[in-house]
Amino acid sequence: AQSVTQLGSHVSVSEGALVLLRCNYSSSVPPYLFWYVQYPNQGLQLLLKYTTGATLVKGINGFEAEFKKSETSFHLTKPSAHMSDAAEYFCAVSDQGYNFNKFYFGSGTKLNVKP
Amino acid sequence: EPEVTQTPSHQVTQMGQEVILRCVPISNHLYFYWYRQILGQKVEFLVSFYNNEISEKSEIFDDQFSVERPDGSNFTLKIRSTKLEDSAMYFCASSIRGGNQPQHFGDGTRLSIL
Repeated sequence: AQSVTQLGSHVSVSEGALVLLRCNYSSSVPPYLFWYVQYPNQGLQLLLKYTTGATLVKGINGFEAEFKKSETSFHLTKPSAHMSDAAEYFCAVSDQGYNFNKFYFGSGTKLNVKP
Repeated sequence: EPEVTQTPSHQVTQMGQEVILRCVPISNHLYFYWYRQILGQKVEFLVSFYNNEISEKSEIFDDQFSVERPDGSNFTLKIRSTKLEDSAMYFCASSIRGGNQPQHFGDGTRLSIL
């Protein structure tokens, strides 16, 4: 089974600073990779995904993530944090080659943005 | 934009009682899922459903759990005899197909077992 690790359960940045949220997966075969964001009392909203092709993917709200096979990583970045980015972020992966792609989630990283 | 909707948003139930959590997936989606998140823990897969049958289930999804798509729009999760450890946030998700497609999640139902 897949294992997804998100380093740092809480990350705090100043408004305007770089956001870097880390995600590593365990499988030797690259999975499909997703980042979701959860605002308080809301569901999980898709930020971006990587399945094939260009390893740098852009998502909504100025976020992007880079798939690095050699590092089994899919870190999420945003050049300049905004107060509205404060939320919890989840990395999710699913195995390639399956139709019924259950997701494996990381434990989440809560992003705090300081004024 | 189409959404996955879940009702109720919060359900409080006595231990041993049956509970049904309801979901309306996005209308043209064909794959349906339930996940749960116990407070402070990871979001965990429970079950996937396609073509009116379970395609995969986790070890959490024991005989106390069942899913159903009773009509063309609803997708339900039933817990037959609830236990204290069933207290969690339950998320429904749907995707247009499997493979590399993202899943779209509802806002969740918080289930509290007393």
